[in-house]
Amino acid sequence: IAGITQAPTSQILAAGRRMTLRCTQDMRHNAMYWYRQDLGLGLRLIHYSNTAGTTGKGEVPDGYSVSRANTDDFPLTLASAVPSQTSVYFCASSDRGLAGVGPYNEQFFGPGTRLTVL
Amino acid sequence: GQQLNQSPQSMFIQEGEDVSMNCTSSSIFNTWLWYKQDPGEGPVLLIALYKAGELTSNGRLTAQFGITRKDSFLNISASIPSDVGIYFCAGRGGSRLTFGEGTQLTVNP
Repeated sequence: IAGITQAPTSQILAAGRRMTLRCTQDMRHNAMYWYRQDLGLGLRLIHYSNTAGTTGKGEVPDGYSVSRANTDDFPLTLASAVPSQTSVYFCASSDRGLAGVGPYNEQFFGPGTRLTVL
Repeated sequence: GQQLNQSPQSMFIQEGEDVSMNCTSSSIFNTWLWYKQDPGEGPVLLIALYKAGELTSNGRLTAQFGITRKDSFLNISASIPSDVGIYFCAGRGGSRLTFGEGTQLTVNP
């Protein structure tokens, strides 16, 4: 089934540990995104990638890093997790990037990863 | 930065009732999007609006792009129990997509 997969589904992590959240899409979309969702704050963009090999910072990038070695995968890494990074993380993809307007720019979301940092 | 206010925060309705929710912005957007999120799932795109004044339907859902380009509403007619979830608006201005805080909808059978 075509779409976006995320792993793990959920994770409890000790503060200070390193963690990589995985995201894979099979729609051959050019652009991919990482959001965090917190109660009362909606969805906030962490990092994005308009095409393979490029990445950019979103609204809340501090404490996170990403890489885009190929079209399908867009892992998000927390180098040293802190409790404020407890959240639900969503990966998304779109055929084209944020700058355009139209159906090809609209984002499809993965099922999310629930991360708890103690 | 861009701010987007979504209301109401939550709604409790009876099955069969119509529902209306809206979003307003302090900035002009060139796209308005409406998503629905079921528990434990990611948001799913319901309707996309690209022109001021545009009125678009998707089944029992109708959304409009306000003429001022600073607001949008979503209507759900004849609600059913599976309409339960969180509805998010999102506005695109330039290269940024801003999400509202969501409207939690509960439908009582």
